[in-house]
Amino acid sequence: QKEVEQNSGPLSVPEGAIASLNCTYSDRGSQSFFWYRQYSGKSPELIMFIYSNGDKEDGRFTAQLNKASQYVSLLIRDSQPSDSATYLCAATNFGNEKLTFGTGTRLTIIP
Amino acid sequence: EADIYQTPRYLVIGTGKKITLECSQTMGHDKMYWYQQDPGMELHLIHYSYGVNSTEKGDLSSESTVSRIRTEHFPLTLESARPSHTSQYLCASSEFRGGFGNTIYFGEGSWLTVV
Repeated sequence: QKEVEQNSGPLSVPEGAIASLNCTYSDRGSQSFFWYRQYSGKSPELIMFIYSNGDKEDGRFTAQLNKASQYVSLLIRDSQPSDSATYLCAATNFGNEKLTFGTGTRLTIIP
Repeated sequence: EADIYQTPRYLVIGTGKKITLECSQTMGHDKMYWYQQDPGMELHLIHYSYGVNSTEKGDLSSESTVSRIRTEHFPLTLESARPSHTSQYLCASSEFRGGFGNTIYFGEGSWLTVV
């Protein structure tokens, strides 16, 4: 079992709808969680991080964390074609110097 | 945000050649990383460093080596390149956000093709 698991997709969402990306993790010691966006042929760029249970909003993006269920999600509201990319979920412990990445979910926004 | 610079961005070299991929960051981050990623595939950590004179091997075995003589510089070297080394190499550095772990920022990557 991978430490961080994501559905590889592809996930197709109509433009303007809400895209929901999910991630589960196996290490209960994981404390901080990160979402990265990676366009084809480019390097990952940080979208947001979350470390407390509940929701964290930043513009059109909302990260949700449920430590009891070991589940992290990213919601993208009002999806745009420019949101089409692979989204990487990552986790780390406090003091752990390494980030463990999931395999990524490929998202396609359909105009 | 971190400014991380990688050179070369694209390189095609012959089998058996020695190659060094350069990585520099200007933000004074202590921790730096090298990831390897094949197109459409997952990221694999191959090396990391906690600071000057510190280097550690990552989760994926790699024939490359790294050095960290200066805080801002973390070069990766392949002594004898092979076609199996063809991949994208991503350098990263991290910012410690108090008790919430390290936030990693990536450079633009170096695409290596060995023919």
